[in-house]
Amino acid sequence: QQQVKQSPQSLIVQKGGISIINCAYENTAFDYFPWYQQFPGKGPALLIAIRPDVSEKKEGRFTISFNKSAKQFSLHIMDSQPGDSATYFCAASREDNYGQNFVFGPGTRLSVLP
Amino acid sequence: NAGVTQTPKFQVLKTGQSMTLQCAQDMNHEYMSWYRQDPGMGLRLIHYSVGAGITDQGEVPNGYNVSRSTTEDFPLRLLSAAPSQTSVYFCASSTRPSGANVLTFGAGSRLTVL
Repeated sequence: QQQVKQSPQSLIVQKGGISIINCAYENTAFDYFPWYQQFPGKGPALLIAIRPDVSEKKEGRFTISFNKSAKQFSLHIMDSQPGDSATYFCAASREDNYGQNFVFGPGTRLSVLP
Repeated sequence: NAGVTQTPKFQVLKTGQSMTLQCAQDMNHEYMSWYRQDPGMGLRLIHYSVGAGITDQGEVPNGYNVSRSTTEDFPLRLLSAAPSQTSVYFCASSTRPSGANVLTFGAGSRLTVL
């Protein structure tokens, strides 16, 4: 079963538009929610992250909105640029006795048209 | 400042062969982990470790072995390769500065099993 659900699977946005990717999780033990950005042929890289004690975090054009009661969080990319074209993964993590346990969503392939 | 280094980048195996994917990090991170990435499946955790001598299974551990004898190295062993193990493998390391968990990924190892 997929502990972190992500939608849409793919997204096409015009340059300057807003890109929105949504994620939902099931396990309330998760305490950290990062977003990763991956370009073709590269490993994922941390984009922005949030903890459940805040409802929103903004870094430049990227904003995470977090709804703890609904167990949902989303990534908003304002003024989307062609350079933002990549695959985006949401994730949720918790720490247990053996280390950190990250669970990733299936990914969203974003294409920003010039 | 190499970060996380994975070798080899590409590998072709025949069914039944064994091999080891190497992973090394130079950031003195406590946590290391292995993921596989398949189309539409996102990143799925294979094994992870909190430090030397301590490992645990992730979501998809079957067919893979790991050991952690040093802080720097976390090799992934395929004992008897199967076509279902054709995938891109990512090693990652993390620590917890200021309470945040940041995964740093390697560039990936693409494995094809014929």
